[in-house]
Amino acid sequence: AQKITQTQPGMFVQEKEAVTLDCTYDTSDQSYGLFWYKQPSSGEMIFLIYQGSYDEQNATEGRYSLNFQKARKSANLVISASQLGDSAMYFCAMRESYSGGYQKVTFGTGTKLQVIP
Amino acid sequence: DVKVTQSSRYLVKRTGEKVFLECVQDMDHENMFWYRQDPGLGLRLIYFSYDVKMKEKGDIPEGYSVSREKKERFSLILESASTNQTSMYLCASSSPRGPKPTGTEAFFGQGTRLTVV
Repeated sequence: AQKITQTQPGMFVQEKEAVTLDCTYDTSDQSYGLFWYKQPSSGEMIFLIYQGSYDEQNATEGRYSLNFQKARKSANLVISASQLGDSAMYFCAMRESYSGGYQKVTFGTGTKLQVIP
Repeated sequence: DVKVTQSSRYLVKRTGEKVFLECVQDMDHENMFWYRQDPGLGLRLIYFSYDVKMKEKGDIPEGYSVSREKKERFSLILESASTNQTSMYLCASSSPRGPKPTGTEAFFGQGTRLTVV
């Protein structure tokens, strides 16, 4: 079963507008972490924002914020005031911890965001 | 500056060849991961490791093996390359230690685009 689900393969947003990228996850762990990464056409993976499962406040990093709804198991990324340079693939990821000390990080299928001038 | 380095950016191999993809990190991270990225499928976890000589299967381990003889190095091995293993391969590392309760984010290498002909 898919652990991370991103239901929007592609999205368009007007420059300077806000956009929300959806992510839902599935885990039975109590302690886990959620991440968003940006992958521009150059291919590098750029870490954007992190939310811990016990964090009570939604994470924010500049124009990025994470709308964390634990009961609904969703971790949507909100980008405010979109810029042309925001055009990229965006991946949601989850880290789970297992007995034995290891951690596993799984990713969703991604959302391709295109910002229109 | 933290760094994850993959040995090759582009690689072309013949069907049936044994292929080694190397990944080295200089951050003293415990966890290392190998993913393959295909359009529409996102990043899929092949294998991961949380310590020297320790390895765990990810979601798509068939046709692959791994080796971790030193903490900083994690190798992905294609025992007998096939055309359906043509893909972008991404290596990442992370640590359970760090300022966040569940550890650091995953840091990625630049990727290896493997073509099997």
